[in-house]
Amino acid sequence: AQSVTQLDSQVPVFEEAPVELRCNYSSSVSVYLFWYVQYPNQGLQLLLKYLSGSTLVESINGFEAEFNKSQTSFHLRKPSVHISDTAEYFCAVSPKGGSNYKLTFGKGTLLTVNP
Amino acid sequence: EPEVTQTPSHQVTQMGQEVILRCVPISNHLYFYWYRQILGQKVEFLVSFYNNEISEKSEIFDDQFSVERPDGSNFTLKIRSTKLEDSAMYFCASSELRGTEAFFGQGTRLTVV
Repeated sequence: AQSVTQLDSQVPVFEEAPVELRCNYSSSVSVYLFWYVQYPNQGLQLLLKYLSGSTLVESINGFEAEFNKSQTSFHLRKPSVHISDTAEYFCAVSPKGGSNYKLTFGKGTLLTVNP
Repeated sequence: EPEVTQTPSHQVTQMGQEVILRCVPISNHLYFYWYRQILGQKVEFLVSFYNNEISEKSEIFDDQFSVERPDGSNFTLKIRSTKLEDSAMYFCASSELRGTEAFFGQGTRLTVV
């Protein structure tokens, strides 16, 4: 079984400040890792993913996340946030291989960007 | 860009009534899922579906729930007798390959009164 911990339920920041949203996971098998974003009153959108290869992955809107196997972490970062980044961010994992391939989500982190 | 489509966007139903939530997954995807999100809580897995049968289901997915792929495009979630605690946002998702990224629909907000 897998579990995902997002330590911060809310992160308020000012516009143009850097931000880091933390995600740690627990799994007895290797996993794929994902960040999903949910804007107000909308569904879940895939922000970025780690499947294999380079441990640093980037999104098209300036977010990046780094897979750290030894620390079982997949923290999300952005060097300078915009008002439009205000949303809830969910970290998720799914196991590689086997018959169990559901996504397990963290509780989410609400990022609020203030002017 | 292909997307997962869910209908309706919002459904209000009386306790004890049956509801059917509908989804059209991305056309070349083979794996289909239902998740739900109770207000203020995390997104929870309900069920996965592959090759016309349930692959896995959670404890939430009891006998009141069922899924069906009645034709080549639709994927439905039926709740036979709704309870107040079934009120939630229900998300349909699909993926091309097992375990890789799932693409989610916009969700159906179910309100049981």
